[in-house]
Amino acid sequence: ETGVTQSPTHLIKTRGQQVTLRCSSQSGHNTVSWYQQALGQGPQFIFQYYREEENGRGNFPPRFSGLQFPNYSSELNVNALELDDSALYLCASSWGSESNEQFFGPGTRLTVL
Amino acid sequence: QKEVEQNSGPLSVPEGAIASLNCTYSDRVSQSFFWYRQYSGKSPELIMSIYSNGDKEDGRFTAQLNKASQYVSLLIRDSQPSDSATYLCAAFSGGYNKLIFGAGTRLAVHP
Repeated sequence: ETGVTQSPTHLIKTRGQQVTLRCSSQSGHNTVSWYQQALGQGPQFIFQYYREEENGRGNFPPRFSGLQFPNYSSELNVNALELDDSALYLCASSWGSESNEQFFGPGTRLTVL
Repeated sequence: QKEVEQNSGPLSVPEGAIASLNCTYSDRVSQSFFWYRQYSGKSPELIMSIYSNGDKEDGRFTAQLNKASQYVSLLIRDSQPSDSATYLCAAFSGGYNKLIFGAGTRLAVHP
């Protein structure tokens, strides 16, 4: 069984740039959720994709967008980067659209200068 | 009241002792609860889930859910230095697809 993978591991961008983060779900899982974790805080829900459709969104502005592909992998895109976007970005995979256990990938550490 | 609340700690226990981590929740979350362990610089790792009132045991870990008092706890028996990490309590909210996390409790197990 293949676990959740994310790329890249680390990324440094400057304010105003755009970034794309990638996630491959665990085999057998069809749902990907994205979270942002600032230092010293718990992860915060950005959005979830189920069967290639957005299935819920947290309190993040529209410059945070995403995609899910037919193989259930997913991308998180952030436009017009701000300094406060510096964080650990986590994706979690699960099965189905409701309350099932979510398993996290290793995360992407984004630094915005 | 926040949806999920935890004491940030640090909670310091000697090796071999029982570590008790607590989490309270509001009416805005569902009745599915999860404990994740997060080592410094790493991603959260799911260690326990609990859905029903009472206790659920898995090896050295016991999760306890008390719906009447709206708290969920995690007991770690025979604590080891390798258990030193931040423990995150989480619950679903907003239609069961959004995990809400507490800020985490930092546990330090000293030899």
